[in-house]
Amino acid sequence: DADVTQTPRNRITKTGKRIMLECSQTKGHDRMYWYRQDPGLGLRLIYYSFDVKDINKGEISDGYSVSRQAQAKFSLSLESAIPNQTALYFCATSDLSGRETQYFGPGTRLLVL
Amino acid sequence: GENVEQHPSTLSVQEGDSAVIKCTYSDSASNYFPWYKQELGKRPQLIIDIRSNVGEKKDQRIAVTLNKTAKHFSLHITETQPEDSAVYFCAAITGANNLFFGTGTRLTVIP
Repeated sequence: DADVTQTPRNRITKTGKRIMLECSQTKGHDRMYWYRQDPGLGLRLIYYSFDVKDINKGEISDGYSVSRQAQAKFSLSLESAIPNQTALYFCATSDLSGRETQYFGPGTRLLVL
Repeated sequence: GENVEQHPSTLSVQEGDSAVIKCTYSDSASNYFPWYKQELGKRPQLIIDIRSNVGEKKDQRIAVTLNKTAKHFSLHITETQPEDSAVYFCAAITGANNLFFGTGTRLTVIP
């Protein structure tokens, strides 16, 4: 689904470094989400935003922060990366209708050494 | 918060057979239950969903059933094909409109 894009697609960084993952969408959706995926643990919600002025913590927000720069952009930051943050990160969007279907970006594979 | 459990974690079936994946949820207020398919190296994509006011929904070879009383829902794939091989995730939405995902089922269809 090219309407939701993520950059970078792959990233290797070192422990203690600051890193930002970016998500952009052209679907016109108000709601945006960040998930991390680990083998055997499924997808876990890190942060979500229902509009530009709304930011909420998800299930596993410790060690992460986010910024909703515009309706179309939602960034995830790791202020001081640690190895157990090595994972596949997905951004997702949904609209305000009752359907709540979420559309996922292609993912960012992050390796923290 | 919501807790979604999914079984089995892996499932192998012969091509043409049926596959069933089961999920349970804990929050009786959950009212929307999507299923996502994730092929290797790709993003999760919605394949079917069901709302709490419906007991069953079908889309070609895929069906989902929901038992609100028992708080469980299942994905049924009939006449499986090799291209059905993927990881399948169930999910439930709570009143806060957040999706809680199961841990996934890796389905392998053996030609």
